[in-house]
Amino acid sequence: QVQLVQSGAELKKPGSSVRVSCKTSGVTFDSYTINWVRRAPGQGLEWMGKIIPFLAVAHYALEFQDRVTITADKSTNTVYIELTSLRSEDSALYYCAIEGRFCTSTSCFDSWGQGTLVTVSS
Amino acid sequence: QSVLTQPPSVSGAPGQRVTISCTGSNSNIGAGYDVHWYQQLPGAVPKLLIYVNDNRPSGVPDRFSGSKSDTSASLAITGLQAEDEADYYCQSYDSSLTGVIFGGGTKVTVL
Repeated sequence: QVQLVQSGAELKKPGSSVRVSCKTSGVTFDSYTINWVRRAPGQGLEWMGKIIPFLAVAHYALEFQDRVTITADKSTNTVYIELTSLRSEDSALYYCAIEGRFCTSTSCFDSWGQGTLVTVSS
Repeated sequence: QSVLTQPPSVSGAPGQRVTISCTGSNSNIGAGYDVHWYQQLPGAVPKLLIYVNDNRPSGVPDRFSGSKSDTSASLAITGLQAEDEADYYCQSYDSSLTGVIFGGGTKVTVL
């Protein structure tokens, strides 16, 4: 059974950085693509980027490509997202999600982490 | 503003049928990219509801159905139940943005 377990809530100052982790189990880590999606209060879901651990290749949404880095540690089956230059609008629930194997043409997300609340406040 | 446009809210009485539209363009749905739908109950994690336009994952009731045509897609809920109160999102891919895109979300209220 696929499980994605994320790190705990973070409180950060504007201008600082945050790193959130997502540990996977029940899957062959290398064979999946892990994505990051966030939802700010009162807003909808927003895709931030993804990584293919086998290739260690990441791809980012245009909106975030200057501030986000997604990495993978194959030794611990853990994926990380780091967001820099934080501002209040980055306060949100951050989710990791695995792409479904049955969505071969257009990615879909069939397993999600529990979410990590990031609050940016002075 | 989302690339995929959804109505902010829809409502219906128990037992009724409601539909949620998802309107895109020729760089996403109209380009042939698949559409998926998610349900997010209050305080819960998003759940894949419909994948590849009109397929239901195991465990999703057949009250939920999806369709796609030209540059838009739709999610229909028949026999609306109180437990269906949630936010619903469509999702696809956009070739101009070279990334995954979500609709703005639709809040379904059961009257």
